[in-house]
Amino acid sequence: QSVLTQPPSVSAAPGQRVTISCSGSSSNIGNNYVSWYLQIPGTAPKLLIYENNKRPSGIPDRFSGSKSGTSATLGITGLQTGDEADYYCGTWDSSLSAYVFGTGTNVTVL
Amino acid sequence: QVQLQQWGAGLLKPSETLSLTCGVYGGSFSGNYWSWIRQPPGKGLEWIGKINHRGSTNYNPSLKSRVTILTDMSKNQFSLKLSSVTAADTAVYYCASGDSEDTQHYWGQGTLVTVSS
Repeated sequence: QSVLTQPPSVSAAPGQRVTISCSGSSSNIGNNYVSWYLQIPGTAPKLLIYENNKRPSGIPDRFSGSKSGTSATLGITGLQTGDEADYYCGTWDSSLSAYVFGTGTNVTVL
Repeated sequence: QVQLQQWGAGLLKPSETLSLTCGVYGGSFSGNYWSWIRQPPGKGLEWIGKINHRGSTNYNPSLKSRVTILTDMSKNQFSLKLSSVTAADTAVYYCASGDSEDTQHYWGQGTLVTVSS
């Protein structure tokens, strides 16, 4: 049972913007950096955002991250069909001494 | 750029021990964290545990009694052993690494492990 909660799915038309929320607590999001991962079905997850809002080399600036209190948000602008995938948030939980993932959100481009 | 390549047995019988190894190429063990993560078919990601370059480990509390993660720095490899497997352990297993506890920067290609009698 995941300690980080995400909406099961979000959708929008090509070119539009979507946001994905990740809700946690003071023991995880509230006191640690949040990362976001993209997973195309059948492939390994890929890091999209780390330290709340930083993008690894090669990740376009259409992807952005933010954090406020015990919640984090991933934003995707200029939605493309290639963005259809599952997205997960993740962070360290200091109480569990364990890494925790969100429940995952499926993004559909209408 | 770090690359992770993993291997191990893909079909096990109940009660056997799962054993996977992850090779680290283009990087160093020093200063990094090395994790194992799994994903049951059609489900989300579950963190199994991690080890750092000093050999210090943390495990998912729900799996702790059955998990061992080790490093072999001479070979730039780390490994996962999960004992007494059941059908519930059927999943794609990934190795991953990061330079901090809160990020998995690099991922292996994944290994499907099926537990079936």
